[in-house]
Amino acid sequence: DAGITQSPRHKVTETGTPVTLRCHQTENHRYMYWYRQDPGHGLRLIHYSYGVKDTDKGEVSDGYSVSRSKTEDFLLTLESATSSQTSVYFCAISNGQGNEKLFFGSGTQLSVL
Amino acid sequence: QKEVEQNSGPLSVPEGAIASLNCTYSDRGSQSFFWYRQYSGKSPELIMFIYSNGDKEDGRFTAQLNKASQYVSLLIRDSQPSDSATYLCAVKIEGATNKLIFGTGTLLAVQP
Repeated sequence: DAGITQSPRHKVTETGTPVTLRCHQTENHRYMYWYRQDPGHGLRLIHYSYGVKDTDKGEVSDGYSVSRSKTEDFLLTLESATSSQTSVYFCAISNGQGNEKLFFGSGTQLSVL
Repeated sequence: QKEVEQNSGPLSVPEGAIASLNCTYSDRGSQSFFWYRQYSGKSPELIMFIYSNGDKEDGRFTAQLNKASQYVSLLIRDSQPSDSATYLCAVKIEGATNKLIFGTGTLLAVQP
């Protein structure tokens, strides 16, 4: 998966607890993204980063925050998980510079009970 | 709200036939278009991209783009059972650096 590692691969948590998902890349790509995928909604962009400490919101950012302190790591945090955040979360990277091709990690299945 | 629309399927074709997958988009200014394949339980994988009107061929895959009609399609020739997957259309948002909007995907089933 193009040098992208997501952790954990699976997580079950309870409503109201904080959760952090990690994306690690070895490609030195500038852009990193967090998507969620739900039946009937396809892939929806949560947040993305265009450099260290540079992040912006996507179309479904409410309830999520991100941080990027190093080029290789992009963290997604659910401050207080809700059942509506049960989903499959994908991290993606791209090189930018006019190249918008995205390469995806293996995904994290998150269940909020 | 910029949108990308796909028929969810399933699209069922016999082995060896041509599978035709279609996608329409709402942002007339979009310039970059992508097709991803996603097997069940796996992550999306880029298979084709197209930037100019017309056809682009890569092996058994052909992407077709018609900006005037705002649609992009993917043809798979000589379909194989291994092509059975969900195909996602993605469009770059004009004016937004490196942000893609995805359709919900079309499930393709190739019958042996």
